[in-house]
Amino acid sequence: QVQLQESGPGLVKPSQTLSLTCTVSGGSISSGSYFWSWIRQPAGKGLEWIGRISTSGSTNYNPSLKSRVTISVDTSKNQFSLKLSSVTAADTAVYYCARNVGATYIYYMDVWGKGTTVTVSS
Amino acid sequence: QSVLTQPPSASGTPGQRVTISCSGSTSNIGSNTVNWYQQLPGTAPKLLIYSNNQRPSGVPDRFSGSKSGTSASLAISGLQSEDEADYYCAAWDDSLNGPVFGGGSKLTVL
Repeated sequence: QVQLQESGPGLVKPSQTLSLTCTVSGGSISSGSYFWSWIRQPAGKGLEWIGRISTSGSTNYNPSLKSRVTISVDTSKNQFSLKLSSVTAADTAVYYCARNVGATYIYYMDVWGKGTTVTVSS
Repeated sequence: QSVLTQPPSASGTPGQRVTISCSGSTSNIGSNTVNWYQQLPGTAPKLLIYSNNQRPSGVPDRFSGSKSGTSASLAISGLQSEDEADYYCAAWDDSLNGPVFGGGSKLTVL
């Protein structure tokens, strides 16, 4: 049973870079044709997709965040990571990582991490 | 403002059937399959329905999904107190080149 676990600082200062890692356990991140995504949820609000990466390193990003986002993968560590630069209070949210099935027409997130809360504050 | 439109709330009494709608456009629901996620209070979202009407293993058949044109619906029959949660629809959007979500519907079991 594949499980995902987010990790990283819970507090980031404004204008700095938010860095999170998602560790995949119970299976290899390279097995199967999956994408791996980051999604966030501000308190009391809905879900926002940040971006995704394949194990070959192909990425797609939300156009609204694209200029500030970098997602990378380290197959040797069974991890993928998120970097979000120039953060503001608006980036305060619970950040989830998720495994994605499919590419476009059929595309869903079948395994989610428990989420990690990131607060942007000085 | 979410790309997919859901009612902010829904409610029903135990045993009732409730439906939650999700409205989109030709670039998302009209062209791609719809998924539904259930988020219980304080927890991560969980896949509830995928590919319009498919249930992952372990999801009760009380939950069903349908799609027509640029809209989709989630139906929950035999409503139970443990169904009280937020429900989100989602679909790939060809214009944005990424998945989009509805704003979520909070289901209250009265």
